[in-house]
Parts: sequence; structure tokens; C-alpha cells
Amino acid sequence: QITLKESGPTLVKPTQTLTLTCTFSGFSLSTSGVAVGWIRQPPGKALEWLALIYWNDDERYSPSLQSRLTVTKVTSKNQVVLTMTNMDPVDTATYFCAHRHEAWLFDVWGQGTLVTVSS
Amino acid sequence: QTVVIQEPSLTVSPGGTVTLTCASSTGAVTSGYFPNWFQQRPGLAPRALIYSTRHRYSWTPARFSGSLLGGKAALTLSGVQPEDEAEYYCLLYYGGAVVFGGGTKLTVL
Repeated sequence: QITLKESGPTLVKPTQTLTLTCTFSGFSLSTSGVAVGWIRQPPGKALEWLALIYWNDDERYSPSLQSRLTVTKVTSKNQVVLTMTNMDPVDTATYFCAHRHEAWLFDVWGQGTLVTVSS
Repeated sequence: QTVVIQEPSLTVSPGGTVTLTCASSTGAVTSGYFPNWFQQRPGLAPRALIYSTRHRYSWTPARFSGSLLGGKAALTLSGVQPEDEAEYYCLLYYGGAVVFGGGTKLTVL
């Protein structure tokens, strides 16, 4: 059974850097075709894809946020870390991580973590 | 900036049939965009329903079906149940980049 869970701060100040961790089980990020993605959802708004990191260390980012995002994997700990720099109140959202395996794009999601950006 | 377009809202009667669509600002949607569909109920994480245009997951009820229709991806719900009231999101894959649609709020009334 695949599970994912997001963790990190619930409140960050404007201009700070956000660091979120996705801890997963039931699969390995060293298996060919596997990836973990990050998606966010501002309150009452639509889903927005942020980033993907693949088993082979390939990284993909949303073009509109690429300059602010970094995603890394810690395979031995079954974790993926997302950092987002220069946080702004408009970045207030629930942040989700999700599993990908080949055509199964985001078949399993974490519960999400709400991050509020406020001074 | 690529935009994926969905109907903002639709209403269907219990037992009825409804089709949600997903269009791309770049042109016709094909199977090469690997359309995916997700259901999200209030306060919960999205749940995957359909991948690669028309394939259901093991947990997806048979009343949900995916297709291509008139240059768009489509999700058809047949025999709608009250519990199908939710927000539905499509996703298109642009060769490495992923774009979600704006979502369709489906009301069962």
C-alpha cells in the first residue's frame, strides 16, 4: 500500500524560504519510472502543479515558478524535499505530494499540509 | 502560459448522465497529452479517477468513463449518484510539464 505524508511549517513570513518534506512508503524512488510530484491549492482555488522528481534524478518544474523551486530526493529515507524561496502571501495554500509511476500520474496523494504566509 | 479549460460548473439530476470536458489553449487534446481526471470532495485530497484518457483505476466506479470528444478530453458520469457531487479536475501532460484545469464543480440536484 502506497502512502505519502507532507510535513513542514504551517506559518512562514514573507520573503522566507519554505521547506516541505514528503515522507512516503510502499514504493521506492529508485525504481524505474517512479516519481514524486508536488501540487498546491490556494484556499477555494484550483490545483496547481509545482514540480516532479524522477527515479533517475530528472527534475521538472512549473515554468511560472521554476526560479523559486528546488526538489530533491533522499532515497535512503524515502523522502522528497521541496524548497520554495521568497514566499509571499499569495503562496498561502495546501501543499500536496503525490506518487507517479509511468502512466499513473498522481494516482496516490498525501493528505496535504496548509501553509500560511503572513507577517 | 498554457491554460487547461474546464466548465466552471455543471448540474445533473440523480441517475442522469453528464459530460465534463477539458480543453487546451494550445489546440486539440490528443491521447499524447495523457489526460487524467481527479475528484475532490471538500476538505479532502484529490482522488485519481482516470489515467491516459480512458483507463480506470481499480477503485474507480464503472459509471466514470474517459474519452476524447471534439478535440477535448471528456469525463462522462452515467447513473450519477449523490456522492458524485464534488469538484473535478483534469490534468494534461505537456512533455514533462503538467497543467491542471481550473476544475468543474458538479452539483447533483
